Amino acid sequence: GAVVSQHPSWVICKSGTSVKIECRSLDFQATTMFWYRQFPKQSLMLMATSNEGSKATYEQGVEKDKFLINHASLTLSTLTVTSAHPEDSSFYICSTKMGNQPQHFGDGTRLSIL
Amino acid sequence: RKEVEQDPGPFNVPEGATVAFNCTYSNSASQSFFWYRQDCRKEPKLLMSVYSSGNEDGRFTAQLNRASQYISLLIRDSKLSDSATYLCVVNYDNAGNMLTFGGGTRLMVKP
Repeated sequence: GAVVSQHPSWVICKSGTSVKIECRSLDFQATTMFWYRQFPKQSLMLMATSNEGSKATYEQGVEKDKFLINHASLTLSTLTVTSAHPEDSSFYICSTKMGNQPQHFGDGTRLSIL
Repeated sequence: RKEVEQDPGPFNVPEGATVAFNCTYSNSASQSFFWYRQDCRKEPKLLMSVYSSGNEDGRFTAQLNRASQYISLLIRDSKLSDSATYLCVVNYDNAGNMLTFGGGTRLMVKP
């Protein structure tokens, strides 16, 4: 069954809008969640590592003020794309892992900024 | 040079064919290795982990050559449902947190 639930699956909105994406771990407590972005025909790129109760760790080149991450509980991490522009249009995917198991991914959120 | 390199394909094969994908990685300190499958506009799903001794799961066989920094995936008796993009994924840390993805190899199985 699903390990990670991501919502919404598809968002279309105007330029300048802020968009929040939720990632929930199902039936287990996730102290760490990962946020990835995938542009068309490209590989997944890690954006940031979300840590419950502390600040997220961002990868080089990812603006932390642009992509706000909140991991306030052991089952929920949120990514907010602030003042989104067309170049932010992408497929955003979260993942988490249980112990030493491989990472499992959420369904992904397809973001389209007009 | 990319950290994880794959032939993007597409590989077009008939049903029942055997097809092999290769992947090379640049970081010799890599800890663990995986093949994920990604369908169009969907999230990646774990296909199998790759172990040094090689491992098999039904029609799928994965091999790892640490000396050559090379990973392979063999699919036997291809099915139409095998059509997807196959992602080679390498992990650099012991905790399994730092995944690096290859660009993927696209497979199309035709009737």
